[in-house]
Parts: sequence; C-alpha cells; structure tokens
Amino acid sequence: EPEVTQTPSHQVTQMGQEVILRCVPISNHLYFYWYRQILGQKVEFLVSFYNNEISEKSEIFDDQFSVERPDGSNFTLKIRSTKLEDSAMYFCASSGQTSGGAKYFGPGTRLTVT
Amino acid sequence: AQSVTQLDSHVSVSEGTPVLLRCNYSSSYSPSLFWYVQHPNKGLQLLLKYTSAATLVKGINGFEAEFKKSETSFHLTKPSAHMSDAAEYFCVVRSTDSWGKLQFGAGTQVVVTP
Repeated sequence: EPEVTQTPSHQVTQMGQEVILRCVPISNHLYFYWYRQILGQKVEFLVSFYNNEISEKSEIFDDQFSVERPDGSNFTLKIRSTKLEDSAMYFCASSGQTSGGAKYFGPGTRLTVT
Repeated sequence: AQSVTQLDSHVSVSEGTPVLLRCNYSSSYSPSLFWYVQHPNKGLQLLLKYTSAATLVKGINGFEAEFKKSETSFHLTKPSAHMSDAAEYFCVVRSTDSWGKLQFGAGTQVVVTP
C-alpha cells in the first residue's frame, strides 16, 4: 500500500539554524499539507499546498517558514531560523484528487531545537 | 468554523471489553469527520471517515463510528479491545473551505490492561 514517507525521523538543531524537513507524498496525490504537534498539545495545521503554490496557511506559518515542491516527488518544509518553540513533531500529509479526501499522514519528523 | 471536542483525555479498558471514545463536533454545515490513531512513535493512521453517506461507518481493526446529527456526536467504538489498540485516538473535522484543512481534537489516550 502506498504511504507518505518523511526524513529524517529525528532532527536536532541549534537555535537560529535553518532546517529542512523532507516528505515524499503518495505519488498520484495532488494536495499536500504540513501539520505539527508540540508535545502535549493538539495537532495543528500549518500549511496546504496545491498546484505549486500555498493554498492556505495558519497564523503559525510566518515568514520563517516556507514550503517547496522542488521536483515531482519531494515536498519540503524549511524553517529559516529555528526557535526553541519550534520543537515539535512535524507531520506531512497528502490527499488525492480532491482536497476533501482523506489525508494520509507520514510518520513524522521530531524536531528538537536546543 | 468547525471544531471537535473529545470528551475523555484518557480511557482505560480491559482486554476483551468494549471501547467507547466520545467526540462531539461543531459545524455549520454537514461535516466530514474522521478518526485517526497514533501508536507510540508512529504517524497518524486513518481509522475511518464519515462524508455524509451511511451514518454508521466501519473502519479498520474492528472500529466503527456512528454519526448522530441530533446529538452532534461521532463516537468511536469497538466491541472487544485488544492489547494492540493501546494508542492515542484523534477525532478530526475537515474544514468546509476548498482546501480541506483538518481540525484535530485534543486526543484520547487509550490504555488496555490484560
């Protein structure tokens, strides 16, 4: 069964450094998402991406964040200058031919900012 | 705006006994509702989804959920708990905008005792 994959599984970085989290969505999916879950808190929406552009973003997704689909398979989330409060589990998700379809999530990347 | 409330943060059941996880939703429109499960150190797995077809929805691993509009509820049940059901469960509503943003509940941690 096709699945969403994410790398790395765990990333440790120092405050102020740039990080890139990588995702490979399911191959025929058209809609892509990033969510995050700070330890002990709800899963929160960050951004949705369709047709090579951001379709919606939350107030969390400020200028420090960016997303890109550099080729036909990868979908990346970049944090330009990490803060301690960016420490969280980051989940990538994709859905198929409509945005209303079920979202399939990757296993997540645990980001620890020290 | 759509939202979900999970009424129990923790549920403890004995193996072989029924499981009930409660979820109430708030939505101005007919909602799309999902249950996801997260096993320790794993990603979010889709258990089942309701998208205005049958009100009783069957999912994977013996779980099912019933959509009750009059009670604005979407409770998740399983007749007989298994040790492998120990995980965190999220009730989720899809935003009615065109990009399908998901709103997560706070989660219910399920413990299964032998």
